[in-house]
Amino acid sequence: QVQLVESGGGLVKPGGSLRLSCAASGFTFSDYYMTWIRQAPGKGLEWVSYISSSGATRYYADSVKGRFTISRDNAKNSLYLQMNSLRAEDTAVYYCARDGRYCGGDCYSDYWGQGTLVTVSS
Amino acid sequence: EIVLTQSPGTLSLSPGERATLSCRASQSVSSNYLAWYQQKPGQAPRLLIYGASSRATGIPDRFSGSGSGTDFTLTISRLEPEDFAVYYCQQYGSSRTFGQGTKVEI
Repeated sequence: QVQLVESGGGLVKPGGSLRLSCAASGFTFSDYYMTWIRQAPGKGLEWVSYISSSGATRYYADSVKGRFTISRDNAKNSLYLQMNSLRAEDTAVYYCARDGRYCGGDCYSDYWGQGTLVTVSS
Repeated sequence: EIVLTQSPGTLSLSPGERATLSCRASQSVSSNYLAWYQQKPGQAPRLLIYGASSRATGIPDRFSGSGSGTDFTLTISRLEPEDFAVYYCQQYGSSRTFGQGTKVEI
């Protein structure tokens, strides 16, 4: 069965950096686009970034562009999110999600991990 | 950016009743690329509907999606106790954005 397990969350000071990881199993990771979505405490969902199956195409929400970098290692079945210049408003649970098959960048997310909490505070 | 507005904010119903949730887009959603997700407290969202009306794998047929253009609806024909949750719509035809959610409560 499809499993996505995020790690790397924690408490970081404003202006600091953090790298999130997502370990994927139960499917052919290299066949799928992957996505990061976040949810601030008590708030709704916000799409953050997606990456193509090969890693050649990456797309970001305006709120994180220039600060966050998505990447993947298909040999390790892993997805990453490097977060720099963190701000208080980046505080959220970050979910790793698999996109539907064959839909490219215009896609929904059909499986989600349980999320990892990132707290940005001094 | 396409803004999605969900209504109502909260829907108070009883088990066995019908739930109708609305999602309105600020501009037409390309190719009806509209999805619905369910989220229970402390859990990750779960995909229910994609392409406005296609049920995801394993989703019971009491969940149905309809609509096109700027107006979309999620209908739960007969509420089961496990259906009380928050529901989000998402468009993925022009970048990706979510609605603010509708809470279905007892």
